Amino acid sequence: DGGITQSPKYLFRKEGQNVTLSCEQNLNHDAMYWYRQDPGQGLRLIYYSQIVNDFQKGDIAEGYSVSREKKESFPLTVTSAQKNPTAFYLCASSIRTGLNNEQFFGPGTRLTVL
Amino acid sequence: GENVEQHPSTLSVQEGDSAVIKCTYSDSASNYFPWYKQELGKGPQLIIDIRSNVGEKKDQRIAVTLNKTAKHFSLHITETQPEDSAVYFCAARRDSNYQLIWGAGTKLIIKP
Repeated sequence: DGGITQSPKYLFRKEGQNVTLSCEQNLNHDAMYWYRQDPGQGLRLIYYSQIVNDFQKGDIAEGYSVSREKKESFPLTVTSAQKNPTAFYLCASSIRTGLNNEQFFGPGTRLTVL
Repeated sequence: GENVEQHPSTLSVQEGDSAVIKCTYSDSASNYFPWYKQELGKGPQLIIDIRSNVGEKKDQRIAVTLNKTAKHFSLHITETQPEDSAVYFCAARRDSNYQLIWGAGTKLIIKP
């Protein structure tokens, strides 16, 4: 089955700890995205990557970091610098960024910082 | 800054009735407007989209209309069914970096 996987589904961390969220896709898509979803708000773009070894900051990149060493993988690290990290995180991919390409989403990871 | 406003935040309709969700956008250069449906515990999924050179698009029970002059677009669902219950998001493609700006979402509840 082709698709996007995110793991784990639920993640708990203590305040001050960095945590890495996994995102893998086997759709052969060039572009990948990380969004944050909070109650009552739309999806907000954290980082996006158009191609391997390249990525750009989105609207709320502060306190987050990413890497894109492989086409299939786009992990997101939530650092201790992120002031309010508890949220639902969604990873997505598309054939390429720009134009009008459909984004395919993973099931999300709910991060709770205690 | 650029933003997309979506209304209402919650919409409850009787099964079989129609539902309408409205969005307005601020970036007049936006030219692509998708709608996504998010079911409980899942990521959003594209259900329909429209480009700025088109005023209306239909796909079975779902339609989207676009008014570029007024900078607003709407999702219409006819003959609603229980499986239509979900959160619906509108979005507009930002012209500066081609990324999507998302509305806050509408929780659609279909009453039996």
